Order: sequence, then structure tokens, then C-alpha cells
Amino acid sequence: DVKVTQSSRYLVKRTGEKVFLECVQDMDHENMFWYRQDPGLGLRLIYFSYDVKMKEKGDIPEGYSVSREKKERFSLILESASTNQTSMYLCASSSAGGGEKLFFGSGTQLSVL
Amino acid sequence: GENVEQHPSTLSVQEGDSAVIKCTYSDSASNYFPWYKQELGKRPQLIIDIRSNVGEKKDQRIAVTLNKTAKHFSLHITETQPEDSAVYFCAAIFFSGGSYIPTFGRGTSLIVHP
Repeated sequence: DVKVTQSSRYLVKRTGEKVFLECVQDMDHENMFWYRQDPGLGLRLIYFSYDVKMKEKGDIPEGYSVSREKKERFSLILESASTNQTSMYLCASSSAGGGEKLFFGSGTQLSVL
Repeated sequence: GENVEQHPSTLSVQEGDSAVIKCTYSDSASNYFPWYKQELGKRPQLIIDIRSNVGEKKDQRIAVTLNKTAKHFSLHITETQPEDSAVYFCAAIFFSGGSYIPTFGRGTSLIVHP
């Protein structure tokens, strides 16, 4: 069965902390995505990667960075967490091509206090 | 980039009624339009999709229609059941930075009353 695994389901951090959110997929997918989900705002793209060591900014990249050192792993980094980054973070992956299904992880609910 | 508008934000129906959710997109180059369902506390999952060379697609009680000229597409659910209650997201796929990027609508919360 296809799997996209996010390392934490719930995370509580302090303002100013550096936060790492990890995502691993076992489908040998080329594309990986980080979305942020907030009520009423839907799924907003933070960053995506279409190959190892490649990264592209999405719609809301400010305050975030990413790392993709291996094909199966895509990490989202909050350099200095702020309260307005409290949100649900969803990782997704898909194979290369223009019309491929997205597989989502179960999400990480991050609270920044 | 692409912009996807989705309406309504909330839809309340009685069991057995039909439900329709509508989306519009801005990039005429978009050619793939999936719909995702997210049940409470769970991850979004693909329920149906349509490509730009097709006008309509059905899968049991679910259907999607696409009007490329008007740049809008819709999800139709017939004979709704309580288990259809969820948030539904439409998406349009556009090409950027060497890859195809899904852009999502803001979601529709569908409530089916027994």
C-alpha cells in the first residue's frame, strides 16, 4: 500500500524555535509538496520539489525553507517559529507528469506558543 | 500562477438530495482537474478527476463536468448519504518550474443530514 509518512501528528513549539517537519514516501515519486491547511483558506502551497536537491517556492514560502537530500524524504524547516505559523501541515507526493494523483500524509498539527 | 475559486464554502443537504460544488480556474493551460475528499481528522484522498479532453466523467454517485471554454468544472453527488459529509477540494494543475503544480480551491464543507 502506498505510504506518505509524516514524522509527527502533533507538535508544540515555542516562538523562535527552529522546527523540522519530516515527510517520507515509499513510492519512488519524483514530486513532493508541502501544503499548509487553515480553515477557510484551503490548501496553500509552501514549497515543492520535483527532483533530489531541487526546490521551488510555492504561494506562501516566507518563513519556511525545505530540504530534499534523498528522493524519498522532503523536510520543511521553520527557521524561527512564529505564532502565525500555527497550522496543519500536509505533505504530498506524486509521480512525474501532468496528471498524476497526489498522495497525502496524515498531517502535522503544529502549535507555536 | 493558477487561481482556483470554489463555491459554496458550506453546503447543507438532506440525505438523498443532490449536491453540486463549482470551481473556476484562471490558467487556460491547466489540463487536469482532480477532486479530493477530506473526512474529519483524515488526509485528503482523490475521489474523481477529469482531463481537458473530456467533458464529463462518472463514477457511481459522483460525476464531474468540465467546460474548458468557460474555465469551470463542477462536482455532482447524487443520492447523498451521511458518509458523504466531508470537506471537498477541487484543484487545477498547471506547469511551473519543471513540474506540474496542483493549486487547490478553498474547500467546501458538505453536511448531509440524515
